[in-house]
This record gives sequence, C-alpha cells and structure tokens, in this order.
Amino acid sequence: GDSVTQMEGPVTLSEEAFLTINCTYTATGYPSLFWYVQYPGEGLQLLLKATKADDKGSNKGFEATYRKETTSFHLEKGSVQVSDSAVYFCALDGSSNTGKLIFGQGTTLQVKP
Amino acid sequence: GAVVSQHPSRVICKSGTSVKIECRSLDFQATTMFWYRQFPKQSLMLMATSNEGSKATYEQGVEKDKFLINHASLTLSTLTVTSAHPEDSSFYICSAFDSQVYEQYFGPGTRLTVT
Repeated sequence: GDSVTQMEGPVTLSEEAFLTINCTYTATGYPSLFWYVQYPGEGLQLLLKATKADDKGSNKGFEATYRKETTSFHLEKGSVQVSDSAVYFCALDGSSNTGKLIFGQGTTLQVKP
Repeated sequence: GAVVSQHPSRVICKSGTSVKIECRSLDFQATTMFWYRQFPKQSLMLMATSNEGSKATYEQGVEKDKFLINHASLTLSTLTVTSAHPEDSSFYICSAFDSQVYEQYFGPGTRLTVT
C-alpha cells in the first residue's frame, strides 16, 4: 500500500541555518503531497502542498518540490527561526483526492537562538 | 484557515467505561470528517472517515463496534470509545475536509487515558 517515510529526528539547528527534512513516498497512483506542521499544544496546520509532479509548494519561506522521478517531497527553508520549532509531517493523499491522508512519522525540529 | 474544535481536550476514565469525544467544524459545513489516532512519537493513523448522514467507513484493523462514529450534522462528528481499556489510551485527532478547496483542518486533539 501507499506509505510515507521521513527522516528521523530530532533535528537541531541554530537560528538562520538551512533546513532540509527529507520525505519519500510510495504510491500506486498519482498522489497529492503535503507538509503539515504541529506547534506545541496546537492542531496540525497545512504548511504547503503540491498536487502534481514538478509542482512546488511554498509558504512562510518553506518550499518543497514534487519529484516523481525520485518519489520525493523534501522540505527546505533557507534560514530557520526559533519560532519554526515544531513537529513536521509529510503526508500523501493517494486516493483520488478524497482527503484520506497517509502520514510520515513526523520530524521534530528544534531551533536554538 | 477554518477552525475545528475538539472536546474534551483530555479525559481520564476507568477501564470498562465509555468515552465520547466531540469534533466541531466552526467555520464551514463539513460533509466529511476524519478521525486519527496518534501514539507517542509516532505518526497519525487514520481510523475512519465520517460522512454526514451515513455510516462511517473504517480503516482495516479498526474495530467499528469499539470506536463508534456519528456524524449527525454538518458541523459535528463524535467518536465514542466503548468499553475502554488501557491499550486505547492515545491521542485522538479529528479533521474536517473542505473538498471545494481541497484542504483539511485539524482539531487540537484529545488525550485519552484509561486507567
């Protein structure tokens, strides 16, 4: 079945460092791909999404490109801030956009001043 | 984005009792809501799809008689954990799906502890 694999955390960076969180997927069809962020004590929030190959999702300085050839959707940010500290989840919807999401295991990011 | 609330935020119950968790979509009418379960330091696992006015669709391995889902209105879905046991202790998260903009809005979650 469909699945999502994220790099294991936690990831600890200094402020203004470059961030990459790897995400690869397995899907039988043409999934839509998402990154969600969960701040402490809050619900998951959509960070960005891409619905077809070569699409680039971007929001709040974060970017991810849907790479079909490598089945990847890596999250990047050029300069992280302390406020970016959170858990990041990669997810896919492989079932004809029904909204049923399959999540990766989550990656905790801690940014130190 | 839209706001989804859950109640209660945390609940402790004794083994053998039932617990009801409410999920409300405050900003839009959601024909579809989802229920997830999250174990510590692990991913969210989809439990079921809650469809307004019809029966819920459960994922493989989820006991429908144990996790009762009711979606009686376009803004409310409930999850009842029946005859709860310690292994049901977990973090339960709901979401409301807006198919028009293809976006899902998550509640803050409910921490269930069964003693």
